[in-house]
Amino acid sequence: DAGITQSPRHKVTETGTPVTLRCHQTENHRYMYWYRQDPGHGLRLIHYSYGVKDTDKGEVSDGYSVSRSKTEDFLLTLESATSSQTSVYFCAISESAGRPDTQYFGPGTRLTVL
Amino acid sequence: DQQVKQNSPSLSVQEGRISILNCDYTNSMFDYFLWYKKYPAEGPTFLISISSIKDKNEDGRFTVFLNKSAKHLSLHIVPSQPGDSAVYFCAAAGGTSYGKLTFGQGTILTVHP
Repeated sequence: DAGITQSPRHKVTETGTPVTLRCHQTENHRYMYWYRQDPGHGLRLIHYSYGVKDTDKGEVSDGYSVSRSKTEDFLLTLESATSSQTSVYFCAISESAGRPDTQYFGPGTRLTVL
Repeated sequence: DQQVKQNSPSLSVQEGRISILNCDYTNSMFDYFLWYKKYPAEGPTFLISISSIKDKNEDGRFTVFLNKSAKHLSLHIVPSQPGDSAVYFCAAAGGTSYGKLTFGQGTILTVHP
């Protein structure tokens, strides 16, 4: 199994509060991704990183920001959480972004915004 | 605009029989496809992939078929086992989207003993 951990694994917060989720990898992979999983939508890409300090938006990036100051850590921040951001969040890593484009996923963080 | 679609939310199969999970895509730039399996409270795990230069790829009990003209792929599991019960996601990549996978909605497979 790829060495990917996510913290916290579960979090309940209130609308309007800031929340930061952490993804940590021990594989030294260059690429890291944040997805959210919602019923009827599968997994949707929020943001991704192609190197330290290099990040870009995915298809559902509004309301989220990311930072990557070290190869092994990729942080996802909800500046002011809303109920629509209640979801399960998955981090993924990949060695390259070319063919084959296999990504390996962490265990997920279940976030509930009340 | 859902570029990758799994139109069957669920599938129920008897142990030992074949499971066939389907996936359709609309973006003709996609040229690499993957299947992931997900158990409850765990992250998705990579199962099998196929490049558009092939029409079939096998790995043990799992075979993925790709029909480029129909923009359709399928995952066959033979024989199905109760441990295969999970959510299966297909995903696609290609063109300018390398590094960004587009996922289908998922299909819940239940294999009955």
